[in-house]
Amino acid sequence: AQRVTQPEKLLSVFKGAPVELKCNYSYSGSPELFWYVQYSRQRLQLLLRHISRESIKGFTADLNKGETSFHLKKPFAQEEDSAMYYCALRIPGNMLTFGGGTRLMVKP
Amino acid sequence: SAVISQKPSRDICQRGTSLTIQCQVDSQVTMMFWYRQQPGQSLTLIATANQGSEATYESGFVIDKFPISRPNLTFSTLTVSNLSPEDSSIYLCSVEVQWSAEAFFGQGTRLTVV
Repeated sequence: AQRVTQPEKLLSVFKGAPVELKCNYSYSGSPELFWYVQYSRQRLQLLLRHISRESIKGFTADLNKGETSFHLKKPFAQEEDSAMYYCALRIPGNMLTFGGGTRLMVKP
Repeated sequence: SAVISQKPSRDICQRGTSLTIQCQVDSQVTMMFWYRQQPGQSLTLIATANQGSEATYESGFVIDKFPISRPNLTFSTLTVSNLSPEDSSIYLCSVEVQWSAEAFFGQGTRLTVV
């Protein structure tokens, strides 16, 4: 079965520092990959998806099929980026599978 | 996009009772889902709510414990029955818009069983 792993439960960085939230998945085919974010007291929402190849709020994520990874990156973290981040995978015709989540704390 | 109204936002319930959570969507959607998010853990899919037929449950979840209704394309309920402290969790309603493959979430229901 497909699986999504986010190795870090908590990532703490200073404002202005680069940030990388790791996501690895297990699936041999071509999945769809997503990053969802939950800010404090807000609902879970889509941040970006790999097929869009876009940058949202300064975040980018590249699908690396060789390493089966979809790490989320931002060159300069902002305090408002503090949130819970979930990597998610969908294989064709199937439901979303979520990783365990990483709490990002950006310190002033 | 889809806007989801989920209620109640939180509740404290006695052991042995039941709680019914409502999920209302502002547009007709085919796919509606119920998730559980236990403290410090990720989202776990409970079931897919199918309009006009029984829900499809994931491994480890059964209809007797989590009965689901889906009377139309904009509304669903999840009941958590015969509550025990282990049921204390956040329950989330989610829908997917077919042409975008994006999932939208309700604000969640925080259940505490005492």
